[in-house]
Amino acid sequence: IAGITQAPTSQILAAGRRMTLRCTQDMRHNAMYWYRQDLGLGLRLIHYSNTAGTTGKGEVPDGYSVSRANTDDFPLTLASAVPSQTSVYFCASSENPTNFGEQFFGPGTRLTVL
Amino acid sequence: GEDVEQSLFLSVREGDSSVINCTYTDSSSTYLYWYKQEPGAGLQLLTYIFSNMDMKQDQRLTVLLNKKDKHLSLRIADTQTGDSAIYFCAESMDNYGQNFVFGPGTRLSVLP
Repeated sequence: IAGITQAPTSQILAAGRRMTLRCTQDMRHNAMYWYRQDLGLGLRLIHYSNTAGTTGKGEVPDGYSVSRANTDDFPLTLASAVPSQTSVYFCASSENPTNFGEQFFGPGTRLTVL
Repeated sequence: GEDVEQSLFLSVREGDSSVINCTYTDSSSTYLYWYKQEPGAGLQLLTYIFSNMDMKQDQRLTVLLNKKDKHLSLRIADTQTGDSAIYFCAESMDNYGQNFVFGPGTRLSVLP
Protein backbone atom coordinates (compact mmCIF):
# COMPACT_ATOMS: atom_id res chain seq x y z
CA ILE A 1 0.00 0.00 0.00
CA ALA A 2 1.28 3.44 -0.85
CA GLY A 3 -0.68 6.53 0.09
CA ILE A 4 -4.42 6.30 0.61
CA THR A 5 -6.66 3.51 -0.52
CA GLN A 6 -10.44 3.48 -0.58
CA ALA A 7 -12.87 0.61 -1.00
CA PRO A 8 -15.05 -0.10 -2.77
CA THR A 9 -14.29 1.77 -5.99
CA SER A 10 -17.98 2.00 -6.74
CA GLN A 11 -21.20 0.70 -5.27
CA ILE A 12 -24.88 0.68 -6.09
CA LEU A 13 -26.99 0.52 -2.97
CA ALA A 14 -30.69 0.24 -2.24
CA ALA A 15 -32.18 3.00 -0.12
CA GLY A 16 -32.39 2.07 3.54
CA ARG A 17 -29.35 -0.18 3.47
CA ARG A 18 -26.33 0.33 5.70
CA MET A 19 -22.98 0.91 4.00
CA THR A 20 -19.42 1.45 5.20
CA LEU A 21 -16.84 3.08 2.98
CA ARG A 22 -13.32 2.13 3.90
CA CYS A 23 -10.26 4.34 3.93
CA THR A 24 -6.72 3.34 4.85
CA GLN A 25 -3.50 5.35 4.75
CA ASP A 26 0.03 4.15 5.33
CA MET A 27 1.74 7.51 5.78
CA ARG A 28 1.14 7.69 9.54
CA HIS A 29 -0.73 10.94 9.03
CA ASN A 30 -2.48 12.33 12.07
CA ALA A 31 -5.42 14.01 10.34
CA MET A 32 -7.98 12.39 8.07
CA TYR A 33 -11.04 13.71 6.27
CA TRP A 34 -14.11 12.55 4.39
CA TYR A 35 -15.52 14.70 1.60
CA ARG A 36 -18.34 14.30 -0.84
CA GLN A 37 -18.06 15.73 -4.32
CA ASP A 38 -21.17 16.79 -6.19
CA LEU A 39 -21.31 18.48 -9.57
CA GLY A 40 -21.27 22.25 -9.27
CA LEU A 41 -20.72 22.17 -5.52
CA GLY A 42 -17.09 21.19 -5.21
CA LEU A 43 -16.01 19.27 -2.16
CA ARG A 44 -17.91 19.42 1.09
CA LEU A 45 -16.48 18.09 4.32
CA ILE A 46 -18.54 15.38 6.02
CA HIS A 47 -16.40 14.46 9.04
CA TYR A 48 -12.80 14.78 10.05
CA SER A 49 -10.35 13.43 12.60
CA ASN A 50 -7.34 15.43 13.77
CA THR A 51 -5.79 12.47 15.54
CA ALA A 52 -6.59 8.86 16.37
CA GLY A 53 -9.40 8.62 18.88
CA THR A 54 -11.01 11.97 17.98
CA THR A 55 -13.52 12.97 15.33
CA GLY A 56 -15.39 16.12 14.39
CA LYS A 57 -18.31 17.17 12.24
CA GLY A 58 -17.84 18.96 8.96
CA GLU A 59 -20.24 20.93 6.82
CA VAL A 60 -22.60 18.05 5.91
CA PRO A 61 -22.45 15.38 8.65
CA ASP A 62 -26.12 14.34 8.80
CA GLY A 63 -26.70 10.71 7.88
CA TYR A 64 -23.02 9.80 8.25
CA SER A 65 -20.84 8.57 11.08
CA VAL A 66 -17.12 7.91 11.41
CA SER A 67 -14.70 6.30 13.81
CA ARG A 68 -10.94 6.55 14.24
CA ALA A 69 -9.81 3.61 16.31
CA ASN A 70 -6.25 3.81 14.99
CA THR A 71 -4.03 6.08 12.92
CA ASP A 72 -4.41 4.25 9.62
CA ASP A 73 -8.15 3.65 9.21
CA PHE A 74 -11.05 6.07 8.96
CA PRO A 75 -14.27 4.32 7.88
CA LEU A 76 -17.39 6.27 6.91
CA THR A 77 -20.76 4.68 7.62
CA LEU A 78 -24.14 5.47 6.14
CA ALA A 79 -26.59 3.99 8.63
CA SER A 80 -29.60 4.08 6.31
CA ALA A 81 -28.73 5.28 2.83
CA VAL A 82 -30.95 7.78 0.98
CA PRO A 83 -30.83 8.81 -2.70
CA SER A 84 -29.44 12.26 -1.81
CA GLN A 85 -26.30 10.49 -0.62
CA THR A 86 -25.52 9.52 -4.20
CA SER A 87 -22.12 11.14 -4.72
CA VAL A 88 -18.41 10.55 -5.10
CA TYR A 89 -16.74 10.21 -1.72
CA PHE A 90 -13.11 11.13 -1.16
CA CYS A 91 -11.00 10.30 1.83
CA ALA A 92 -7.97 12.50 2.50
CA SER A 93 -5.20 12.77 5.04
CA SER A 94 -2.61 15.30 6.13
CA GLU A 95 0.44 14.93 8.31
CA ASN A 96 -1.03 17.33 10.82
CA PRO A 97 -4.35 19.18 11.05
CA THR A 98 -2.57 22.33 9.88
CA ASN A 99 -0.27 21.52 7.01
CA PHE A 100 -0.65 24.31 4.47
CA GLY A 101 -3.28 22.52 2.45
CA GLU A 102 -1.18 19.44 1.81
CA GLN A 103 -4.01 16.97 1.97
CA PHE A 104 -3.42 13.70 0.15
CA PHE A 105 -6.54 12.30 -1.48
CA GLY A 106 -7.63 8.76 -2.17
CA PRO A 107 -9.02 7.74 -5.58
CA GLY A 108 -12.64 8.07 -4.45
CA THR A 109 -15.69 5.84 -4.10
CA ARG A 110 -18.63 6.39 -6.44
CA LEU A 111 -21.82 5.60 -4.56
CA THR A 112 -25.26 5.39 -6.12
CA VAL A 113 -28.30 5.04 -3.85
CA LEU A 114 -31.47 3.92 -5.59
CA GLY B 1 -21.37 31.94 5.39
CA GLU B 2 -18.19 31.60 3.44
CA ASP B 3 -18.50 31.11 -0.28
CA VAL B 4 -16.01 30.45 -3.07
CA GLU B 5 -17.07 30.90 -6.69
CA GLN B 6 -15.50 29.81 -9.96
CA SER B 7 -16.54 29.54 -13.58
CA LEU B 8 -17.38 25.93 -14.33
CA PHE B 9 -15.72 25.59 -17.74
CA LEU B 10 -12.73 26.96 -19.65
CA SER B 11 -11.36 25.91 -23.05
CA VAL B 12 -7.98 26.96 -24.41
CA ARG B 13 -5.73 25.97 -27.31
CA GLU B 14 -2.57 24.01 -26.63
CA GLY B 15 0.34 26.40 -26.17
CA ASP B 16 -1.85 29.31 -25.06
CA SER B 17 -2.04 30.62 -21.51
CA SER B 18 -4.97 29.62 -19.30
CA VAL B 19 -6.35 31.89 -16.61
CA ILE B 20 -8.68 30.36 -14.05
CA ASN B 21 -10.47 32.80 -11.78
CA CYS B 22 -11.87 32.50 -8.28
CA THR B 23 -13.68 34.87 -5.97
CA TYR B 24 -14.26 34.40 -2.26
CA THR B 25 -16.36 36.19 0.30
CA ASP B 26 -14.53 35.68 3.59
CA SER B 27 -12.31 38.72 4.15
CA SER B 28 -10.51 36.90 6.96
CA SER B 29 -9.21 34.25 4.57
CA THR B 30 -5.55 33.85 5.30
CA TYR B 31 -4.58 30.95 3.07
CA LEU B 32 -5.73 30.36 -0.50
CA TYR B 33 -5.09 27.20 -2.47
CA TRP B 34 -5.31 25.74 -5.93
CA TYR B 35 -5.93 22.02 -6.33
CA LYS B 36 -5.96 19.93 -9.51
CA GLN B 37 -8.17 16.90 -10.07
CA GLU B 38 -7.34 14.66 -13.00
CA PRO B 39 -10.01 12.30 -14.36
CA GLY B 40 -10.83 9.47 -11.98
CA ALA B 41 -8.47 10.71 -9.28
CA GLY B 42 -8.52 12.67 -6.06
CA LEU B 43 -7.41 16.25 -5.67
CA GLN B 44 -3.75 17.21 -5.65
CA LEU B 45 -2.40 20.42 -4.18
CA LEU B 46 -0.83 22.60 -6.88
CA THR B 47 0.12 25.69 -4.94
CA TYR B 48 -0.98 27.99 -2.17
CA ILE B 49 -0.57 31.67 -1.32
CA PHE B 50 -0.76 33.62 1.91
CA SER B 51 -3.07 36.60 2.04
CA ASN B 52 -0.14 38.97 2.64
CA MET B 53 1.26 38.09 -0.79
CA ASP B 54 0.20 39.50 -4.16
CA MET B 55 1.81 36.96 -6.41
CA LYS B 56 3.48 33.60 -6.36
CA GLN B 57 5.21 31.93 -9.30
CA ASP B 58 6.16 28.29 -9.61
CA GLN B 59 7.44 27.20 -13.03
CA ARG B 60 4.47 27.49 -15.43
CA LEU B 61 2.05 28.48 -12.67
CA THR B 62 1.42 32.05 -11.53
CA VAL B 63 -1.00 32.86 -8.75
CA LEU B 64 -2.28 36.41 -8.43
CA LEU B 65 -4.20 37.64 -5.40
CA ASN B 66 -6.23 40.83 -5.25
CA LYS B 67 -7.20 40.94 -1.61
CA LYS B 68 -9.24 44.13 -1.98
CA ASP B 69 -11.52 42.49 -4.56
CA LYS B 70 -11.22 39.02 -2.96
CA HIS B 71 -10.12 37.66 -6.31
CA LEU B 72 -7.63 34.87 -6.92
CA SER B 73 -6.39 33.67 -10.28
CA LEU B 74 -4.24 30.82 -11.55
CA ARG B 75 -2.36 31.34 -14.79
CA ILE B 76 -0.90 28.33 -16.58
CA ALA B 77 1.64 29.30 -19.21
CA ASP B 78 2.10 27.19 -22.37
CA THR B 79 -0.91 25.03 -21.56
CA GLN B 80 -0.50 21.38 -22.48
CA THR B 81 -3.02 18.58 -23.00
CA GLY B 82 -1.84 17.11 -19.69
CA ASP B 83 -3.18 20.21 -17.97
CA SER B 84 -6.75 19.16 -18.82
CA ALA B 85 -8.38 18.66 -15.43
CA ILE B 86 -10.69 20.27 -12.91
CA TYR B 87 -9.08 23.05 -10.89
CA PHE B 88 -10.41 23.87 -7.44
CA CYS B 89 -9.87 27.05 -5.54
CA ALA B 90 -10.03 26.74 -1.74
CA GLU B 91 -9.68 29.15 1.14
CA SER B 92 -9.08 28.89 4.86
CA MET B 93 -8.74 31.46 7.57
CA ASP B 94 -6.61 29.32 9.85
CA ASN B 95 -5.07 26.54 7.77
CA TYR B 96 -6.91 23.83 9.69
CA GLY B 97 -7.93 21.18 7.20
CA GLN B 98 -11.46 20.97 8.55
CA ASN B 99 -12.01 24.66 7.81
CA PHE B 100 -11.21 24.60 4.12
CA VAL B 101 -13.93 25.90 1.82
CA PHE B 102 -13.71 24.64 -1.75
CA GLY B 103 -15.10 26.25 -4.86
CA PRO B 104 -17.14 24.21 -7.37
CA GLY B 105 -14.16 23.65 -9.66
CA THR B 106 -13.32 24.83 -13.18
CA ARG B 107 -13.05 22.16 -15.85
CA LEU B 108 -10.15 23.10 -18.14
CA SER B 109 -10.22 21.58 -21.62
CA VAL B 110 -7.09 21.94 -23.72
CA LEU B 111 -7.77 21.74 -27.45
CA PRO B 112 -5.06 20.60 -29.91
